[in-house]
Amino acid sequence: RKEVEQDPGPFNVPEGATVAFNCTYSNSASQSFFWYRQDCRKEPKLLMSVYSSGNEDGRFTAQLNRASQYISLLIRDSKLSDSATYLCVVTGFQKLVFGTGTRLLVSP
Amino acid sequence: ETGVTQTPRHLVMGMTNKKSLKCEQHLGHNAMYWYKQSAKKPLELMFVYNFKEQTENNSVPSRFSPECPNSSHLFLHLHTLQPEDSALYLCASSPRTSGSSYNEQFFGPGTRLTVL
Repeated sequence: RKEVEQDPGPFNVPEGATVAFNCTYSNSASQSFFWYRQDCRKEPKLLMSVYSSGNEDGRFTAQLNRASQYISLLIRDSKLSDSATYLCVVTGFQKLVFGTGTRLLVSP
Repeated sequence: ETGVTQTPRHLVMGMTNKKSLKCEQHLGHNAMYWYKQSAKKPLELMFVYNFKEQTENNSVPSRFSPECPNSSHLFLHLHTLQPEDSALYLCASSPRTSGSSYNEQFFGPGTRLTVL
């Protein structure tokens, strides 16, 4: 089983749609969780950390389910500029473990 | 100054060449990282330096040799690489590493390496 698993997509959605990504992780000892965004041929950038109580930042909501070992990212009112690859990141044994990413394409 | 810079941005080298990748961070961080990103694969952690000391070598072949002269600079020396080493090499920094609780990592733009 991979340490971090994501649906690679692509998710094709129209502008204004709501889209959700899930990510599962295998290490029950993981303590920190993040969503990073990576644009084509660019470096990953932190989108948001994921807290146990769930957190929201504008149109983005992240949630953590420790019992089921998954985290989610919800994007409301999608914009063209949201098109990117979204990387799920989990702390492993003294390191960050990245998922392969989920590609999102938002069309007009 | 941008937070994390990397040079060169693109590099083409033969299998017998020796080259070095450079990373510099202007964020006052104490931890620096090298990652490899290949097509269709997740980022692979290669090396971690914490306060200039190497704390992680993720089973990386010896043809990759890191160097961290101070907390702001990180190098990756390359020699006798293979075509399958062609990838995007990303440097990152964070305030510190601390057990299993990691701070946000800030990435440089990467060096796109092609080995012929």
